[in-house]
Amino acid sequence: SSELTQDPAVSVALGQTVRITCQGDSLRSYYASWYQQKPGQAPVLVMYGKNNRPSGIPDRFSGSSSGSTASLTITGAQAEDEADYYCNSRDSSGNRLVFGTGTRVTVL
Amino acid sequence: QVQMVQSGAEVKEPGSSVKISCKASGYSFISYYIHWVRQAPGQGLEWMGLLNPNGPETSHAQKFQARVTMTMDTSTTTVYMELSSLRYDDTATYYCARDTELGIVESWGHGTLVTVSS
Repeated sequence: SSELTQDPAVSVALGQTVRITCQGDSLRSYYASWYQQKPGQAPVLVMYGKNNRPSGIPDRFSGSSSGSTASLTITGAQAEDEADYYCNSRDSSGNRLVFGTGTRVTVL
Repeated sequence: QVQMVQSGAEVKEPGSSVKISCKASGYSFISYYIHWVRQAPGQGLEWMGLLNPNGPETSHAQKFQARVTMTMDTSTTTVYMELSSLRYDDTATYYCARDTELGIVESWGHGTLVTVSS
């Protein structure tokens, strides 16, 4: 299967920790990347590879992977972290991509 | 810095085609793949395909295999995505984006809204 499945929505209290997961068979072979998308804006890459943050992404964002599940953790969530988050990876063919179903994160 | 500047919004009738442009700048054009990703209103991201300017070669999601054509103009560092036989459910924002390596999509355009309406 080339699908990546995410929980539709999660909520987190301000300053607390939230983990977003992404499940799919392709993650056994390829790392996930993670994107943050706020309303009316283009997605922004926030995590890639084993646990790499692009320049400018706060270190409260971290990534991990085990088997067919990849995770993005926000430690000490801030109000500005409220957004939709998508994972992606190569699919099982290796030369196409697939995006996850997306998770809406609400900061309470 | 890397910039991906897309063409403006389009309104198209069902059955017609749309061609969106994406001008890349701020990096070596032939060194990175460019992806097309779309997002229907209120929906998630959907990968459509990629173009490798150093070829050129393309790869498409199976869903779009018969309807998408991706081309480029190296002289203007512009890539194009044409979607044919438009249907109402092709109404979406279409993004071009550059990756750093396959699967890591780093620099996104602002998006082009395509509305399919009669």
